[in-house]
Amino acid sequence: EVQLVESGGGLVQPGRSMKLSCAASGFTFNNYDMAWVCQAPKKGLEWVATISYDGSSTYYRDSVKGRFTISRDNAKSTLYLQMDSLRSEDTATYYCAREDGITWGQGVMVTVSS
Amino acid sequence: DIQMTQSPSSLPASLGERVTISCRASQGISNNLNWYQQKPDGTIKPLIYYTSNLQSGVPSRFSGSGSGTDYSLTISSLEPEDFAMYYCQQDASFPRTFGGGTKLELK
Repeated sequence: EVQLVESGGGLVQPGRSMKLSCAASGFTFNNYDMAWVCQAPKKGLEWVATISYDGSSTYYRDSVKGRFTISRDNAKSTLYLQMDSLRSEDTATYYCAREDGITWGQGVMVTVSS
Repeated sequence: DIQMTQSPSSLPASLGERVTISCRASQGISNNLNWYQQKPDGTIKPLIYYTSNLQSGVPSRFSGSGSGTDYSLTISSLEPEDFAMYYCQQDASFPRTFGGGTKLELK
């Protein structure tokens, strides 16, 4: 079964850091570009970042450039999102997804609040 | 950045009804348009890729069409499980962008 399982969310204070993980299974992880997509409470979907299959290329939405880092460990079939200098507006459910959109995780909630 | 304008934002409809959701891009996206369904529990399901191609396992009552800047998703006869949120997304260029969403609700 193709599966993506996110972890690492929770409550964090503004200005602090948090790292999300996404464990992939059921497909050849290192063949696919991967992405993070977020959804603020009661809002729509927003693309956050994409990483190429081999990690050589990364792309970010403007609001997270310089603060968030997408990375991957193909040996562990795991995708990461390092989030630094967190702001209240980063509060959202974060979804891990294959860049082709075929597979999505269940999402993990990140709340940035003092 | 390519802006995606989705309409309507809310669509009341009845079982068995045919409905269409529209998505307009701020510039041409060469059919690089996908559709997703999101259920109230947050689960996201891919429906259509590259404008009109059904993802595996998606019922044939779903169809997509369009070109240039204008695209649409049609459900030919609504079933109970179709009442959900729907989003379009362009993957013609970065940053990827989604439409604002359409809530398909039971009339």
